[in-house]
Amino acid sequence: AQKVTQAQTEISVVEKEDVTLDCVYETRDTTYYLFWYKQPPSGELVFLIRRNSFDEQNEISGRYSWNFQKSTSSFNFTITASQVVDSAVYFCALSEADTGRRALTFGSGTRLQVQP
Amino acid sequence: DTEVTQTPKHLVMGMTNKKSLKCEQHMGHRAMYWYKQKAKKPPELMFVYSYEKLSINESVPSRFSPECPNSSLLNLHLHALQPEDSALYLCASSQETSVLTEQFFGPGTRLTVL
Repeated sequence: AQKVTQAQTEISVVEKEDVTLDCVYETRDTTYYLFWYKQPPSGELVFLIRRNSFDEQNEISGRYSWNFQKSTSSFNFTITASQVVDSAVYFCALSEADTGRRALTFGSGTRLQVQP
Repeated sequence: DTEVTQTPKHLVMGMTNKKSLKCEQHMGHRAMYWYKQKAKKPPELMFVYSYEKLSINESVPSRFSPECPNSSLLNLHLHALQPEDSALYLCASSQETSVLTEQFFGPGTRLTVL
């Protein structure tokens, strides 16, 4: 069965600091997809990135970057020069393709507090 | 239009009431989902609809009854709920293709059962 672990329950940083959110996953599928979502206090889950299991290239989008390493089953998320607006709960999620089960398994989430 | 809308935003109901949650998307997505999220927990999948047919039911109690009247709409009918059913109910949609795509979420309905 698939599993996603976000060991960091809560992280607090000061504005402009860099912060990395960890995500470790378990799956038996060879084809799977990994996602990061942001959930601000308003409650809506905002999609940030999708990665498939065959694409290990790191990705950068503005202040956000993602490091996918199959060897360690990790898909970590770094925010550079954090801002107060980055304060939210961040979820890593996994979806397996081999079984055809089109559903997301979420990690427990990491609450990020960025202090001014 | 890349939006999933949900109504109502907030709902308070008694244990004997019958109510419905509504979800709508106009992105042409053919997969739609209901998730339940308790405070400080991740969303948990309840139901998946694919091409208006129920494809996954995560052993949800029958007091929750989903309905997909057409490809744009998804309802969740509630009846005889318990206080522990109080949660944020999230609807999502995605393209239904051989390649898994991201799910787009609505803002949720915050449900309180008295």
